[in-house]
Amino acid sequence: GAGVSQSPRYKVAKRGQDVALRCDPISGHVSLFWYQQALGQGPEFLTYFQNEAQLDKSGLPSDRFFAERPEGSVSTLKIQRTQQEDSAVYLCASRGEQGKGENEKLFFGSGTQLSVL
Amino acid sequence: QQQVKQSPQSLIVQKGGISIINCAYENTAFDYFPWYQQFPGKGPALLIAIRPDVSEKKEGRFTISFNKSAKQFSLHIMDSQPGDSATYFCAASMRVGNEKLTFGTGTRLTIIP
Repeated sequence: GAGVSQSPRYKVAKRGQDVALRCDPISGHVSLFWYQQALGQGPEFLTYFQNEAQLDKSGLPSDRFFAERPEGSVSTLKIQRTQQEDSAVYLCASRGEQGKGENEKLFFGSGTQLSVL
Repeated sequence: QQQVKQSPQSLIVQKGGISIINCAYENTAFDYFPWYQQFPGKGPALLIAIRPDVSEKKEGRFTISFNKSAKQFSLHIMDSQPGDSATYFCAASMRVGNEKLTFGTGTRLTIIP
């Protein structure tokens, strides 16, 4: 596709349920990021992949959050035993190889809006 | 700890006027400063970015002014148009060794006719 694709667009979960959010980055993009955006706030970094390697997961708020990118393309963010404070928009972004001019731009998807009831 | 502070929280500008949004950062290791534009229901989109080796960068109606000694940078939108109504985020990162962006809290810009 032409851009970063995220699914589902909206997810409603009951407290305690597990959820999985999918990100399809731009084809060929090496770097993939997950951000969490609370209502009325700026995005906050969760984790970063370079190809299939998770190089930084310092932003994951708890061990209930887990991300993977097994083949260096599609990534999944999993949240176990969801809590109300997990309600937010989860944004995925991808970027080409650094040092390649326009390929340094970070492209965001439209996000998955997660509501935990 | 909020490493990038953004102001104002909201801004109303008349069509044709200049919109100015300000950001201040704390971490002197930051060396990449982008501005993102976000429309409701969409992800942020890169508008313009600057590195600290220059004090100003202009792209069309958008200009970033950068003051390294004050650790401040600002976005100026000239000839503001209703289509510019959106939320704007400043951000900062270290280019080498740490890829993540630290975002400001956002400015909701409304351009009125």
